[in-house]
Amino acid sequence: KAGVTQTPRYLIKTRGQQVTLSCSPISGHRSVSWYQQTPGQGLQFLFEYFSETQRNKGNFPGRFSGRQFSNSRSEMNVSTLELGDSALYLCASSFGGREGYTFGSGTRLTIV
Amino acid sequence: AQTVTQSQPEMSVQEAETVTLSCTYDTSESDYYLFWYKQPPSRQMILVIRQEAYKQQNATENRFSVNFQKAAKSFSLKISDSQLGDAAMYFCAYRPIQGAQKLVFGQGTRLTINP
Repeated sequence: KAGVTQTPRYLIKTRGQQVTLSCSPISGHRSVSWYQQTPGQGLQFLFEYFSETQRNKGNFPGRFSGRQFSNSRSEMNVSTLELGDSALYLCASSFGGREGYTFGSGTRLTIV
Repeated sequence: AQTVTQSQPEMSVQEAETVTLSCTYDTSESDYYLFWYKQPPSRQMILVIRQEAYKQQNATENRFSVNFQKAAKSFSLKISDSQLGDAAMYFCAYRPIQGAQKLVFGQGTRLTINP
């Protein structure tokens, strides 16, 4: 069974640009969550989508947004990029959360 | 707000020996899930073991076991017969059953295995 697929694996952008990251969950998983990982702040929750609806949102500015499609694939978008947005962005999918979450390998975003 | 604390930024152990990683958490909830995740240099977070707070029995997965002390809000991970492939960052995580369906992570413990 295929795992969680995140694309691209690496991305370099300049300040002020916007970026879209993609996540394809495990087949049958309807919940997709996004996390930001940085050396200073650790792993922080961005948002969670379930059946195309945002169920939960973390404490991030409105520049961070996301969506989920009918096939459960999810995208997150960051507009007006700042240097501090440089991070590893991880996507996780689950069936219901009780059994745990399966993570992708992440997208390493570097802002220059 | 729920918080998770891992007080050991780094640990090292000799191959084949046993090591215990510590984790404490703070919550006012009575029902929740606890997880240990492993993150090797490949970056992918891998679920090692999970515990449901309403179960008193400590979870075990092969060489990995936990010591769950609900009253003390402690959730330590024991790795027996350590192998070189166990070297990674280990994260303890909490998720409430009710409310926001999100994982709250600790800061992580970097585990080194010495051959």
